[in-house]
Amino acid sequence: NAGVTQTPKFQVLKTGQSMTLQCAQDMNHEYMSWYRQDPGMGLRLIHYSVGAGITDQGEVPNGYNVSRSTTEDFPLRLLSAAPSQTSVYFCASSWGQTQETQYFGPGTRLLVL
Amino acid sequence: SQQGEEDPQALSIQEGENATMNCSYKTSINNLQWYRQNSGRGLVHLILIRSNEREKHSGRLRVTLDTSKKSSSLLITASRAADTASYFCATAAGDNFNKFYFGSGTKLNVKP
Repeated sequence: NAGVTQTPKFQVLKTGQSMTLQCAQDMNHEYMSWYRQDPGMGLRLIHYSVGAGITDQGEVPNGYNVSRSTTEDFPLRLLSAAPSQTSVYFCASSWGQTQETQYFGPGTRLLVL
Repeated sequence: SQQGEEDPQALSIQEGENATMNCSYKTSINNLQWYRQNSGRGLVHLILIRSNEREKHSGRLRVTLDTSKKSSSLLITASRAADTASYFCATAAGDNFNKFYFGSGTKLNVKP
């Protein structure tokens, strides 16, 4: 199993550009989530999904969209990038709900100029 | 915010010593988990303790939970240089355990 994979590993954007961060898992996990981690801080939940077709907002959802058309994939879209979105983005997945262990991807480093 | 806070923010010890880090949170929880993050990497799950549990062990790790004080502690015994990492507590909120909140982390440095 590859676990949780994220692409790209690193991206530079200009203010106003849009892009999609990809996340995929091959463990048949129902729950998937996106976090951002700013320097020296913990992770903050952006959006999460409890299954295909179901998404909901986390702590810091503004400026981000998600969709969950399959169990395996959970892409995160930045609609119009801003310097405040410069961060490291992590995707995670788990069985069922968050009562279970979350497995994290390696992260995507995003720099918005 | 539900977000937990770890204490201390940074900890430096010698190999072989024990390391204790604490986590406090604000509202009721369903469970509390501890994660480790090596520099520049993703998080790795260490241990989960449910709200009805008081203590849990896993290898050299011991976690306690005091729901009356809304706090948890992580003890790493006989630390090794390989334990050098940042450690985060994370809570699933009691009213919506689909929402997961991370603390700001304790940066542990174990000197050989």
